[in-house]
Amino acid sequence: SAVISQKPSRDICQRGTSLTIQCQVDSQVTMMFWYRQQPGQSLTLIATANQGSEATYESGFVIDKFPISRPNLTFSTLTVSNMSPEDSSIYLCSVDGTSGSSYNEQFFGPGTRLTVL
Amino acid sequence: RKEVEQDPGPFNVPEGATVAFNCTYSNSASQSFFWYRQDCRKEPKLLMSVYSSGNEDGRFTAQLNRASQYISLLIRDSKLSDSATYLCVVGPGGYQKVTFGIGTKLQVIP
Repeated sequence: SAVISQKPSRDICQRGTSLTIQCQVDSQVTMMFWYRQQPGQSLTLIATANQGSEATYESGFVIDKFPISRPNLTFSTLTVSNMSPEDSSIYLCSVDGTSGSSYNEQFFGPGTRLTVL
Repeated sequence: RKEVEQDPGPFNVPEGATVAFNCTYSNSASQSFFWYRQDCRKEPKLLMSVYSSGNEDGRFTAQLNRASQYISLLIRDSKLSDSATYLCVVGPGGYQKVTFGIGTKLQVIP
């Protein structure tokens, strides 16, 4: 499976600021996804990061709030903009379509734990 | 009806017990099925894929029932280290997004 790293691993931010989270994969992957997991909850898909084109956002998530970049097949960023305490969550990057994996088999980065004061 | 439904538990079982979780899904066209394990404050990790014929990996057995649209996970001889949340995941196949269940929390007690 792919090795996925995320930076930062955690951060504490002030209301109204923005944070950019980076996701790096050690091999080229077809699909990259960004999820949010709030305390005690399951994973909620924010968007699919498409290489070379705009991300595909899920219902309830918009580009202005969560701009995403994917400049190549191994890297993506998620920005949480104009943060409020409600954005406090774990943000997870995942990949699909690594060599040898089955369709829809996803592998996750270690997550970024965000606290907004 | 939710796309993927799981009993959130918690399931508290003694060491050595056998425990089973079910997960139902609403989309009959679903093609990919998985169980993930998530430890506290960690990312989800793939436990096993679920194949039509069922599959086994050591103490873990996964089954798929397409007619009733559910998948199951059986854990035999539970260990303390099996304590975690088990997430059911269903996908359409192809390079598309999947849907996660809320997870079932398992606590194995000495």
